[in-house]
Amino acid sequence: NAGVTQTPKFRILKIGQSMTLQCAQDMNHNYMYWYRQDPGMGLKLIYYSVGAGITDKGEVPNGYNVSRSTTEDFPLRLELAAPSQTSVYFCASSPRRSSYNEQFFGPGTRLTVL
Amino acid sequence: DQQVKQNSPSLSVQEGRISILNCDYTNSMFDYFLWYKKYPAEGPTFLISISSIKDKNEDGRFTVFLNKSAKHLSLHIVPSQPGDSAVYFCAASGETTDSWGKLQFGAGTQVVVTP
Repeated sequence: NAGVTQTPKFRILKIGQSMTLQCAQDMNHNYMYWYRQDPGMGLKLIYYSVGAGITDKGEVPNGYNVSRSTTEDFPLRLELAAPSQTSVYFCASSPRRSSYNEQFFGPGTRLTVL
Repeated sequence: DQQVKQNSPSLSVQEGRISILNCDYTNSMFDYFLWYKKYPAEGPTFLISISSIKDKNEDGRFTVFLNKSAKHLSLHIVPSQPGDSAVYFCAASGETTDSWGKLQFGAGTQVVVTP
């Protein structure tokens, strides 16, 4: 089991460029999440998905889009990169609506927008 | 609006001693509280959790205490080991339809265990 994988590990974008952060999990989890972590701050939820074809906004969705066409993949799209999107992005998954909502995290993508 | 707060950004403790990490929250609708541990260049990993109907949960060297009236929880690590050096995040969630799955994280506490 590779768990949750994310690509790329690092990326530098220019203002206005677009990119897709990839996330995949091989644990057959229904629920997947995207978070961002800014320096000195906790993780903030961007988008989440409760299954293929179903996505919903989290706390900070502006400037991002997601899709969930398969159980395994949950890509995050940045359309017009802005310096405020400089952050570390974490993808996570969980198997079910568990009481403790334990989530399994990928290693993160460090994105810099210049 | 920060609903989960970890007011100590760092903590240094000697190997073998107790580490105590604190976390405060403002939302009385939170039902579950979790602690995650994070090493550099890795994602957070789940450590321990507690339900709001309990006041203590133990797992080996890790114990979480919940004081619901004070909206405060703490994580005790006894004894502290060098491998415990990491950032620890407190997180909370609720069971309502609107809040389920939406973990609220604190800013984290960097723990350094010295020999």
